[in-house]
Amino acid sequence: GAGVSQSPSNKVTEKGKDVELRCDPISGHTALYWYRQSLGQGLEFLIYFQGNSAPDKSGLPSDRFSAERTGGSVSTLTIQRTQQEDSAVYLCASSLVWTSGGQETQYFGPGTRLLVL
Amino acid sequence: RKEVEQDPGPFNVPEGATVAFNCTYSNSASQSFFWYRQDCRKEPKLLMSVYSSGNEDGRFTAQLNRASQYISLLIRDSKLSDSATYLCVVSPSGNTPLVFGKGTRLSVIA
Repeated sequence: GAGVSQSPSNKVTEKGKDVELRCDPISGHTALYWYRQSLGQGLEFLIYFQGNSAPDKSGLPSDRFSAERTGGSVSTLTIQRTQQEDSAVYLCASSLVWTSGGQETQYFGPGTRLLVL
Repeated sequence: RKEVEQDPGPFNVPEGATVAFNCTYSNSASQSFFWYRQDCRKEPKLLMSVYSSGNEDGRFTAQLNRASQYISLLIRDSKLSDSATYLCVVSPSGNTPLVFGKGTRLSVIA
């Protein structure tokens, strides 16, 4: 079946502009995650959606970052008033969540490479 | 102490060599452990889960030492195609986001 897809694959924007990044998770996966990976760095957790629960926003670096997940499926990560330090690869992942509370493997999308000039 | 720590490498090894990576984690209550592989400019992909009893998948062996809070990955008979960054990943509890180490870079040389 189809994996996680993300769009756009690349985005170049000017400092101060807003950007929207989209993630389509694997069908049936109830958990969706956004991560950021700067050049040469590890993955930085941003936000986590699980079913109808309130999202875990603890990783969002500032109030310029927000995310929504509509209908329990597609998610959009919005960065307002972009700064040069926002340049990174933004990765989305999805997984099934066990009824016992554990989670299965996270499957990643190919990412969106964001460059803020 | 960082939640998940790895030696960043790079590890440069000849084809056919055996190489081992270690990773330490700080949260003793962590429940699940994984090794992911990330190729250059690609997304991370699951390599293998790590079980308490240790597990093997072909040339790859993963082990968990809960008492010392470390995880290891052993790669035998290295292939050129094994060149990648290996990410140590820990789940602090059942239903929380995974915590990723920064990765260990491996280069297998002909």
